[in-house]
Amino acid sequence: DGGITQSPKYLFRKEGQNVTLSCEQNLNHDAMYWYRQDPGQGLRLIYYSQIVNDFQKGDIAEGYSVSREKKESFPLTVTSAQKNPTAFYLCASSDHDGGKNIQYFGAGTRLSVL
Amino acid sequence: AQSVTQLGSHVSVSEGALVLLRCNYSSSVPPYLFWYVQYPNQGLQLLLKYTSAATLVKGINGFEAEFKKSETSFHLTKPSAHMSDAAEYFCAVSVNDYKLSFGAGTTVTVRA
Repeated sequence: DGGITQSPKYLFRKEGQNVTLSCEQNLNHDAMYWYRQDPGQGLRLIYYSQIVNDFQKGDIAEGYSVSREKKESFPLTVTSAQKNPTAFYLCASSDHDGGKNIQYFGAGTRLSVL
Repeated sequence: AQSVTQLGSHVSVSEGALVLLRCNYSSSVPPYLFWYVQYPNQGLQLLLKYTSAATLVKGINGFEAEFKKSETSFHLTKPSAHMSDAAEYFCAVSVNDYKLSFGAGTTVTVRA
């Protein structure tokens, strides 16, 4: 089955701790994205990557970091600098298709602070 | 900059009634527009997309949307609501080849 796998489904962070959210895709897509979702605010872009070994900050990158060492993987680290990390995190991928930009989403990771 | 505004954060309809979700866009170039649906604790699923072909776009699960340039709108409709349509719906506009800008979402509840 082709798709996007996010893990874990639920994650708890202690004060001062860094945590890493996993995102893997087997759709052979070039581009991958991380979004944060808070109630009533829609989706906000954290980081995106158009190609391996390259990524760009989105609208709310502060307190987050990413890497893109492999085409199929785009892990997100929530650092201790992110003071309000409780949210639902969604990973997505897309092919570069002349701007049509259909994004396919994983099932999400819900992060809470202990 | 490209953006979308969804009018109404919550919509409640009776089963069998018309579903109408409103989305207005702002774009300096011909836009690509999308509607996504999200069921509780899940990711987003594409319902339909507009990419400058036909102005009336048909999607999955009986939904359709009409692109109206004069009104800068891309409203989503379904003639007859089903209980399974209860979800959150997001309108989005393509900012460039890679970025999407999402609206705040509209939650639909369906009354039996």
